[in-house]
Amino acid sequence: DAKTTQPPSMDCAEGRAANLPCNHSTISGNEYVYWYRQIHSQGPQYIIHGLKNNETNEMASLIITEDRKSSTLILPHATLRDTAVYYCIVRVRNAGNMLTFGGGTRLMVKP
Amino acid sequence: GAVVSQHPSWVICKSGTSVKIECRSLDFQATTMFWYRQFPKQSLMLMATSNEGSKATYEQGVEKDKFLINHASLTLSTLTVTSAHPEDSSFYICSARNRAGGAHEQYFGPGTRLTVT
Repeated sequence: DAKTTQPPSMDCAEGRAANLPCNHSTISGNEYVYWYRQIHSQGPQYIIHGLKNNETNEMASLIITEDRKSSTLILPHATLRDTAVYYCIVRVRNAGNMLTFGGGTRLMVKP
Repeated sequence: GAVVSQHPSWVICKSGTSVKIECRSLDFQATTMFWYRQFPKQSLMLMATSNEGSKATYEQGVEKDKFLINHASLTLSTLTVTSAHPEDSSFYICSARNRAGGAHEQYFGPGTRLTVT
């Protein structure tokens, strides 16, 4: 699985958009970008994934650059409950193997 | 959506005793379950991969005789920490891979916090 790089921490004001970047410059053509988050003392929660097109669901939007070397997770209206560690993971879909977690970005949403 | 449960959610045990943690997929069949460990302020580290009906595959540095994994059915995997020591205190998380596939394949349990005194 390709390695990812994320900033260790970010702050965001409540109600504003939170934009979390992820670099994955060694991504392969068949690797997807997955985002999970982990709220304190809970298991990771799936957020969204994509291959090359931008994706949106009820939780977030995922913007993937045209060269696929980086992506941004967007929480459009961050709330205090979005405070968590966000993990960007790149892997082949349906590979059956485990998810490899890096350091993630610790997002602090402030009132 | 797919739900994975863990039991217990937290446990305190004395040094030298054994503790069993259960991981269940509640509404799907899991061919593969993964066990992770997470120390404070650190990321999740994979401990082992278990496939239903076969022996678990352990990551380097994880003692298979200390962390016994059983995946006897498509909905249940157990992790037993034998002869627990304080350094085994950690947050243990399982994830299950849906046999039928699905949007993102793997679903995580809520975690079990183990404290060894």
